[in-house]
Amino acid sequence: GAGVSQTPSNKVTEKGKYVELRCDPISGHTALYWYRQSLGQGPEFLIYFQGTGAADDSGLPNDRFFAVRPEGSVSTLKIQRTERGDSAVYLCASSLRAGSANTEAFFGQGTRLTVV
Amino acid sequence: QKEVEQDPGPLSVPEGAIVSLNCTYSNSAFQYFMWYRQYSRKGPELLMYTYSSGNKEDGRFTAQVDKSSKYISLFIRDSQPSDSATYLCAMSDYNQGGKLIFGQGTELSVKP
Repeated sequence: GAGVSQTPSNKVTEKGKYVELRCDPISGHTALYWYRQSLGQGPEFLIYFQGTGAADDSGLPNDRFFAVRPEGSVSTLKIQRTERGDSAVYLCASSLRAGSANTEAFFGQGTRLTVV
Repeated sequence: QKEVEQDPGPLSVPEGAIVSLNCTYSNSAFQYFMWYRQYSRKGPELLMYTYSSGNKEDGRFTAQVDKSSKYISLFIRDSQPSDSATYLCAMSDYNQGGKLIFGQGTELSVKP
């Protein structure tokens, strides 16, 4: 596709349930980033991948959060035992390569997660 | 204290006004400075980026970085109603792989 695609666009789940959020980056982009944006706040970094490996997962808030990118393209953010505080917009971004000057990160439209 | 501070606004101006948006930061390792625009229920889109200190102009937009003061600005000339959005400053130390640290965002409304 032309841009970063995130599915679903909206997800409502009950407290305690497991959810998966999918990100399909721009073709050929090796770096992929996940951010979380709470209402009225800027995006907060969660994790980034260079290829298949998680290069920096320092932003994941706790061990309920996990992300994979098994083939270096599509990534899935997984949240176990969801809590109401997990409600936010989860943004994915991709760039040609991480840590390089003039490498723009392109964002998807986000998945709006609501935990009830 | 957050690494990047940005006045959340909201900011309301008449069409044609000059808008000034600002951020301060505490991490002297930041090398790349960006401004993103985010429309409601959309992802952020890159407006401007600047490396180190200095000015950069692109049409009606000017970005300024003052690393000595740890202060960055975005100026919008001849503002238009279509500029109404949330503006996010973001910074990066590219030794950390392009991870972006964002400000809170300033909500701007340009009234016709």
